[in-house]
Amino acid sequence: ETGVTQTPRHLVMGMTNKKSLKCEQHLGHNAMYWYKQSAKKPLELMFVYSLEERVENNSVPSRFSPECPNSSHLFLHLHTLQPEDSALYLCASSQDEPGTGANVLTFGAGSRLTVL
Amino acid sequence: GQNIDQPTEMTATEGAIVQINCTYQTSGFNGLFWYQQHAGEAPTFLSYNVLDGLEEKGRFSSFLSRSKGYSYLLLKELQMKDSASYLCAVLDSNYQLIWGAGTKLIIKP
Repeated sequence: ETGVTQTPRHLVMGMTNKKSLKCEQHLGHNAMYWYKQSAKKPLELMFVYSLEERVENNSVPSRFSPECPNSSHLFLHLHTLQPEDSALYLCASSQDEPGTGANVLTFGAGSRLTVL
Repeated sequence: GQNIDQPTEMTATEGAIVQINCTYQTSGFNGLFWYQQHAGEAPTFLSYNVLDGLEEKGRFSSFLSRSKGYSYLLLKELQMKDSASYLCAVLDSNYQLIWGAGTKLIIKP
């Protein structure tokens, strides 16, 4: 399998649930990203990992918790979410570390999250 | 603040030409990207412009004017499969990507 793979593709959860989103990249890239995509809004960068270290956390509420166990895998752990957190969560990877140039991002197809 | 503007939605006819505009106001400039995103799918890279002018890739071309803070994506010989959202993003002076909200392009037969 090639590219960036995200699971699950769809997730419905209650506000008291705990769930996790998974992202896997088979490209040998050095950086991985979590983005939030809401309808008619720009992509919001949530977290960036470079060489397995978190290099950016854009004031994301603590109910979102990222984990990067190795350079190929990225998780987003979710707990006590709010209905306004319903969105498409996109994972992306890039060959080079962020902030080093014009990195082309390779995205996964996203996990559509609905919080009831 | 930093801002990227692009039309929310556009409609065009199969076989025709459409131009999707993107204007930006950012802290510095290190290039502009266009991505295509079909409904329910991953955004995919289309083009990157850092110098002024037009770059052509088959049916798609991307133009940049840094002095005007302006870019456009030109799609020729439109096909039904070109129905998608087109995302404009600018790399600012800190190499942070600033995204527009995307333009949904609807192609009609």
